[in-house]
Amino acid sequence: EVQLVESGGGLVQPGRSLRLSCAVSGLTFDDSAMHWVRQAPGKGLEWVSCINWNSASIGYADSVKGRFTISRDNAKNSLYLQMNGLRVEDTALYYCARFSPSGFDYWGQGILITVSS
Amino acid sequence: AIQMTQSPSSLSASVGDRVTITCRASQAIRSDLGWYQHKPGKAPQVLIYAASNLHSGVPSRFSGSGSGTDFTLTISSLQPEDFATYYCLQDYSYPWTFGQGTTVEIK
Repeated sequence: EVQLVESGGGLVQPGRSLRLSCAVSGLTFDDSAMHWVRQAPGKGLEWVSCINWNSASIGYADSVKGRFTISRDNAKNSLYLQMNGLRVEDTALYYCARFSPSGFDYWGQGILITVSS
Repeated sequence: AIQMTQSPSSLSASVGDRVTITCRASQAIRSDLGWYQHKPGKAPQVLIYAASNLHSGVPSRFSGSGSGTDFTLTISSLQPEDFATYYCLQDYSYPWTFGQGTTVEIK
């Protein structure tokens, strides 16, 4: 069974940092492109960031570029999102997801980040 | 960034209706587009990839078409389990972008 399990969420003050993790099992993680997608309360889906299998190709949404850093550890089958300089507008449910040639085929259950003073 | 404009933003339909959702890209994206269904409390699910390819396990009442800038998702006969929000996503160039979503509600 494929599982993607996010952790590291919670309540954080504006300007502070948080690191999300996504533990992956049941698929070949080290040849998978991995992404973060978020959904703010009452809003639509927003693509956040991606990293290819060997970390050679990385992309970010304009809204998080320079503040968020995506990384992965293939030995640990884990994906990470370091979020610095958090803003109220970063409040959202964050999903990790695997992208394959047939689209985002596996998703985590999502983890909530609330940025508030 | 490439803008994805979805229409309509919401629609009301009855079981058995044919439903069409469109997505327009602000520049040509070949066929690098997917369609996703999202229900409250669940993770999104891929329906269509590469504009017109049905993802494994997705009912054949879902179909996609288009290339370049204009794309369509069609549900040929709406079923009760299809009431959800639908998003297009361009994976042509970074930053990838979703459409704003189309919520399909029960009439």
